Amino acid sequence: KQEVTQIPAALSVPEGENLVLNCSFTDSAIYNLQWFRQDPGKGLTSLLLIQSSQREQTSGRLNASLDKSSGRSTLYIAASQPGDSATYLCAVLPLVRSARQLTFGSGTQLTVLP
Amino acid sequence: DAGVIQSPRHEVTEMGQEVTLRCKPISGHNSLFWYRQTMMRGLELLIYFNNNVPIDDSGMPEDRFSAKMPNASFSTLKIQPSEPRDSAVYFCASSLTEGSPLHFGNGTRLTVT
Repeated sequence: KQEVTQIPAALSVPEGENLVLNCSFTDSAIYNLQWFRQDPGKGLTSLLLIQSSQREQTSGRLNASLDKSSGRSTLYIAASQPGDSATYLCAVLPLVRSARQLTFGSGTQLTVLP
Repeated sequence: DAGVIQSPRHEVTEMGQEVTLRCKPISGHNSLFWYRQTMMRGLELLIYFNNNVPIDDSGMPEDRFSAKMPNASFSTLKIQPSEPRDSAVYFCASSLTEGSPLHFGNGTRLTVT
């Protein structure tokens, strides 16, 4: 059974810092990996999706990498801003079509201090 | 596009009552998912539909839970009878196809007293 772990559970940084959020998964047979952002009282917003054949994806100040063989993904946030404060979740989609549902990590709660 | 629309945003009900949660997916999306989120268990997939057909309902906790998708633009999740342990935020999400980015609604916060 796929397990997704995100460490740390919470992170607090001063504005302007570059930071890295970590995600690890136990089964490397994945179709893709997605990073989401969740603001309090809201649903999840998809940030980046990396296909299993890709190594990284970029969107603005965000860069997500994928190392399937080691079961790891990172989300890099450059020049962090207070507006980046949210919970960040990663989720993996298995390769096996019959089990095609996302497994989510428990998230990293990020606070960017002004 | 207005995104995935869920109603109601908040629902407070007494134990034993029937609860119906509603979802309108993004137009053109073929896959629809119902999730439940709690502090203790995180995000759990309850059921998902592909082209209006339930594909996997193994996450539905018990027979008190049922979900329908009568057409491509509407789905319901029903709990009957509701219990206090059903209190959670219920999210509906849709995607263009299986494996496409998932788009979430803002959720329904259910409180069962």
